[in-house]
Amino acid sequence: SAVISQKPSRDICQRGTSLTIQCQVDSQVTMMFWYRQQPGQSLTLIATANQGSEATYESGFVIDKFPISRPNLTFSTLTVSNMSPEDSSIYLCSVGGLSTNEQFFGPGTRLTVL
Amino acid sequence: QKEVEQNSGPLSVPEGAIASLNCTYSDRGSQSFFWYRQYSGKSPELIMSIYSNGDKEDGRFTAQLNKASQYVSLLIRDSQPSDSATYLCAVIDRWDDYKLSFGAGTTVTVRA
Repeated sequence: SAVISQKPSRDICQRGTSLTIQCQVDSQVTMMFWYRQQPGQSLTLIATANQGSEATYESGFVIDKFPISRPNLTFSTLTVSNMSPEDSSIYLCSVGGLSTNEQFFGPGTRLTVL
Repeated sequence: QKEVEQNSGPLSVPEGAIASLNCTYSDRGSQSFFWYRQYSGKSPELIMSIYSNGDKEDGRFTAQLNKASQYVSLLIRDSQPSDSATYLCAVIDRWDDYKLSFGAGTTVTVRA
């Protein structure tokens, strides 16, 4: 499996500000995804990060709130915009399409919004 | 709407016992099934994938899939305290090749 890193690992932010989370993979991957895991909850898919084109968002998530970039096959960013305390979650990137449809997760970014 | 349901926890088992985790899914067309383990404060780790009916064994873990009954299970044999974690069932359906739908998870505690 690929080695996946995320930056920052955690952050505490003020409401109304924005935070950009980076996801770096040590090899080229076909698929990259962004998930959210709210406290005590399971994972919810935010969007599929498409290389060279706009991300594909799931129901309930919009580009203005969660803009995503994927400039190449090893890197993606997720921005959480105009944050509120309800955005306090763990944000995880995952990669897939290596040789099977298995997905592997990065270490996550723990975000707290005050 | 795809639904993935797991047996409610928490599940507490003594060390050395078998922990049995169950998962049902609503989409009959689903074709790929995964179990992830998530330690507290960590990200999910893939421990098993299964695609065909029957059993798949990997060390102390056995995944069982029954597509006719739309359930997938995970057995942990000879449970160890290090197995204490939340186990997440995830499903990919045939229309979305890679998008995972997760169950709520079952927390397992292995008592020494």
